Amino acid sequence: DAGVIQSPRHEVTEMGQEVTLRCKPISGHNSLFWYRQTMMRGLELLIYFNNNVPIDDSGMPEDRFSAKMPNASFSTLKIQPSEPRDSAVYFCASSSEGGPYEQYFGPGTRLTVT
Amino acid sequence: KQEVTQIPAALSVPEGENLVLNCSFTDSAIYNLQWFRQDPGKGLTSLLLIQSSQREQTSGRLNASLDKSSGRSTLYIAASQPGDSATYLCAVRNSGGSNYKLTFGKGTLLTVNP
Repeated sequence: DAGVIQSPRHEVTEMGQEVTLRCKPISGHNSLFWYRQTMMRGLELLIYFNNNVPIDDSGMPEDRFSAKMPNASFSTLKIQPSEPRDSAVYFCASSSEGGPYEQYFGPGTRLTVT
Repeated sequence: KQEVTQIPAALSVPEGENLVLNCSFTDSAIYNLQWFRQDPGKGLTSLLLIQSSQREQTSGRLNASLDKSSGRSTLYIAASQPGDSATYLCAVRNSGGSNYKLTFGKGTLLTVNP
């Protein structure tokens, strides 16, 4: 398997623009996670999907952030409008439900909002 | 709320040295603990996963131990090599209703000098 695939790898945008990050989980995995990593706060869980359904979105910072999972092989994280404080590395991870629930991470998208 | 702390934040050692990275967590009701490696600009690679019922796990030159009652885990790296230079992250999965969540430490940046 190719592992978790994320695109784009790097995104530079101006404040106020819409940003869409994409993720393809490992085939057969039914859990998907979006994380954000910053120097100050480390890795934080933004949202968790199970079988394409959002289960926990308590980590989504505000209404400017939204995430969808229309099918088992694709998810998006959208920021609209983007702000400089959204600059971070965004990771997608997936796991299968049969324990030990080991999570496999994608390479991340480095987002810079100017 | 689970909190994970990693000490030291950074470590620099000469090649060939054995070393120990430390991880502590505040809530001992865990399902498992995972050690990850993160190379600059890359995603997270899972190194070792220890279930709550286990005391240690080994993979090659790596050995991870878990003392759940005291809220501690260590990652031992034997005969360190320059290629081991990376950030090492510890993550804890709690037992109970939110057992999908990983709580991460902020990592230890390891530099192995040739």
